[in-house]
Amino acid sequence: DAGVTQSPTHLIKTRGQQVTLRCSPKSGHDTVSWYQQALGQGPQFIFQYYEEEERQRGNFPDRFSGHQFPNYSSELNVNALLLGDSALYLCASSLFLARGWSDTQYFGPGTRLTVL
Amino acid sequence: ILNVEQSPQSLHVQEGDSTNFTCSFPSSNFYALHWYRWETAKSPEALFVMTLNGDEKKKGRISATLNTKEGYSYLYIKGSQPEDSATYLCAFIEPDSNYQLIWGAGTKLIIKP
Repeated sequence: DAGVTQSPTHLIKTRGQQVTLRCSPKSGHDTVSWYQQALGQGPQFIFQYYEEEERQRGNFPDRFSGHQFPNYSSELNVNALLLGDSALYLCASSLFLARGWSDTQYFGPGTRLTVL
Repeated sequence: ILNVEQSPQSLHVQEGDSTNFTCSFPSSNFYALHWYRWETAKSPEALFVMTLNGDEKKKGRISATLNTKEGYSYLYIKGSQPEDSATYLCAFIEPDSNYQLIWGAGTKLIIKP
């Protein structure tokens, strides 16, 4: 049973470019959440997708967008990259709960994005 | 903006010793608290979901307690082993922000052989 997978593992981009990160959820999971983790900080919630729709969003600008496909996999897109976007981007999958986050999230290994 | 504080930021413990660290969260409106363990070069791994005041959960040598009235959770590790070296993260579920997870910055635990 495959866990959560993310690609690519590492990525180097320059300011102003656009990037797409990919995530496949754990088998049986229907919900994907994306997080940004800067060095020395806890993960910051970007957004969550369920039924191909963005269900919740954290405090991130519109440059951050996403998509969920019918097979539940997801993409995170970041436009007009800034130096401050350099971080580890984590994807987590879970089962959707109508209320709350009591269900455990399963994380992928992350994508390390470096913006030069 | 709610804050979830974890202390200490890092901790060096001798192999075989027991240790504990703290996650502090707003006590006014509690829903649930998650603990995760994150080893270097691996994915964060769920340890516990704490939901009730007075909850105690245990997984092998690791246990956690919860006090929602005073807004803290303790994670205990008994008889530390080198494989316990990791960053331990807690995440508070914020009901007033549509149940988003608010994460602490973690406690980095290093076990010295």
